[in-house]
Amino acid sequence: QKEVEQNSGPLSVPEGAIASLNCTYSDRGSQSFFWYRQYSGKSPELIMSIYSNGDKEDGRFTAQLNKASQYVSLLIRDSQPSDSATYLCAVNDSGGYQKVTFGIGTKLQVIP
Amino acid sequence: DADVTQTPRNRITKTGKRIMLECSQTKGHDRMYWYRQDPGLGLRLIYYSFDVKDINKGEISDGYSVSRQAQAKFSLSLESAIPNQTALYFCATSDSLGRAYNEQFFGPGTRLTVL
Repeated sequence: QKEVEQNSGPLSVPEGAIASLNCTYSDRGSQSFFWYRQYSGKSPELIMSIYSNGDKEDGRFTAQLNKASQYVSLLIRDSQPSDSATYLCAVNDSGGYQKVTFGIGTKLQVIP
Repeated sequence: DADVTQTPRNRITKTGKRIMLECSQTKGHDRMYWYRQDPGLGLRLIYYSFDVKDINKGEISDGYSVSRQAQAKFSLSLESAIPNQTALYFCATSDSLGRAYNEQFFGPGTRLTVL
């Protein structure tokens, strides 16, 4: 059973701070990693994809990947109350049919 | 206009009834997926289809069936609904071309309640 693990939270950070969200995965052959944001009662929205070790920045978001440690993270700089949501980590399966396994998500609360 | 649409958005039904949830997309993607989401359990894959003739079971397919009527349409059926199928259901799509073939785009969801 391929697993993607996240702390369910809630993770509370003050407005303007850096929020750090973490994810570990079990499938060593995984090559594609994704972060989705999901507001309560809404559908997941893709915010970042990362395929190579290192950092990838997009605006206030930075995804970090370390395949050797099987670890992927998302940093949100200058956190805003509008960033309050659940963040889902997703990892592709390395088998013949390349599906994606989702973590349960980390709930982020940005306190004004 | 939304790229991925789901109908109905909300449905309340009774145990034993047959229910169909429909998904349509205008993104031109070849891959389509059905997930259910339950509190504390995350998104779980029910069925997926990589083209019209290719349909596969996901991790929780028991009690569900699907039909891929066209590249743009993928329906999920509950033949005889039971209360533990009460959940939020999402359809998603992805494009097999290029490196982003696992980037999935979700519909707005269907909230299903089985009494």
